[in-house]
Amino acid sequence: DSGVTQTPKHLITATGQRVTLRCSPRSGDLSVYWYQQSLDQGLQFLIQYYNGEERAKGNILERFSAQQFPDLHSELNLSSLELGDSALYFCASSAATGNTEAFFGQGTRLTVV
Amino acid sequence: AQSVTQLGSHVSVSEGALVLLRCNYSSSVPPYLFWYVQYPNQGLQLLLKYTTGATLVKGINGFEAEFKKSETSFHLTKPSAHMSDAAEYFCAVTYGSGNTGKLIFGQGTTLQVKP
Repeated sequence: DSGVTQTPKHLITATGQRVTLRCSPRSGDLSVYWYQQSLDQGLQFLIQYYNGEERAKGNILERFSAQQFPDLHSELNLSSLELGDSALYFCASSAATGNTEAFFGQGTRLTVV
Repeated sequence: AQSVTQLGSHVSVSEGALVLLRCNYSSSVPPYLFWYVQYPNQGLQLLLKYTTGATLVKGINGFEAEFKKSETSFHLTKPSAHMSDAAEYFCAVTYGSGNTGKLIFGQGTTLQVKP
């Protein structure tokens, strides 16, 4: 158990809908990272938050957004969903932005039908 | 552009045989390198990492990797494969100040271990 909790584990929704994925980082970790894992794109970094502020952005679509709350949990919002958004979404957390290991949650599997 | 290449999407070995998973990276600055393992329906677990110092790093479950700057490689090895090693393995890199959560991953290598 990495200590990073993601909910829900599975999500099935229709095209055009909006969903919210939730991540609770390890106790005390200030950084949260979101990744998308799909068969065609592999594992791709989406976005990072550090202590409530956006710190780095990767290949995140404009239809996707994220935020980190004062209690340090994070949410990834996916809107106007398309079939191609079906993927496994991982959250990871680390103590800081420096030389510390990132711990991954078990992921949320999103299926868009 | 920064990238990671894992040679071989599938590797099959017999139980007790040497495991060698290959990883090459492209970089114009010193990299921080990682190997993660993913078991079915699980998240990613860190096997080992290279940041600075000794180029041969040892990780969990008997795995080790050697950073070779001249070859831009970070291959993962294990002397004797076990059935429980069957999983998908990802090589990853980060750069600069070592923001170790913002990772560039390779495409992954599925390791099959035959009895």
